Amino acid sequence: AQSVTQLDSQVPVFEEAPVELRCNYSSSVSVYLFWYVQYPNQGLQLLLKYLSGSTLVKGINGFEAEFNKSQTSFHLRKPSVHISDTAEYFCAVGPLWRGSQGNLIFGKGTKLSVKP
Amino acid sequence: SAVISQKPSRDICQRGTSLTIQCQVDSQVTMMFWYRQQPGQSLTLIATANQGSEATYESGFVIDKFPISRPNLTFSTLTVSNMSPEDSSIYLCSVEDDRYEQYFGPGTRLTVT
Repeated sequence: AQSVTQLDSQVPVFEEAPVELRCNYSSSVSVYLFWYVQYPNQGLQLLLKYLSGSTLVKGINGFEAEFNKSQTSFHLRKPSVHISDTAEYFCAVGPLWRGSQGNLIFGKGTKLSVKP
Repeated sequence: SAVISQKPSRDICQRGTSLTIQCQVDSQVTMMFWYRQQPGQSLTLIATANQGSEATYESGFVIDKFPISRPNLTFSTLTVSNMSPEDSSIYLCSVEDDRYEQYFGPGTRLTVT
């Protein structure tokens, strides 16, 4: 079984400042890792994913995340945030072997609030 | 990528009634998923719906309460039956492509009074 922990429920930050949203996971099997963003009153949009290969993954809107297997972490970063980045961010994990139960386990989300 | 639409986008229903939510995808997909997002909470998988077979429900969810249809590779419905205020949530459908990416619909915001 897998589980995901997002360590911060809310992160306030000023515009143009850097931000890191933390995500830790646990799993008894190899996993895929994802970050999704949910803007107010909208569905989820995939920001980036890690399947294999380079541990630094670049996504849309200037976000990137680094997979750290030894620390079982997949933290999301952006060097300079904009007001438009205000949203809720979800980390998710899925089993590497999908079989017939390919589903994602989501963290509880981190609300990023960017202030002018 | 896949484009997913859901109907209705929102609804207010009385307790004891049922609501059927539709999910339409712009391409053929094998795996479709239904999630629930309760207020202030994360997403919880309700069931996996594959075309041509019975839906597979997660622990805590049963077919009598959340019947699902999957008549073809582009469409699915989720019914929330005999609703109570605890069913007030956002219900989202998603599809998975062959790169293990899931695409989500905009969600159906349900309020039960």
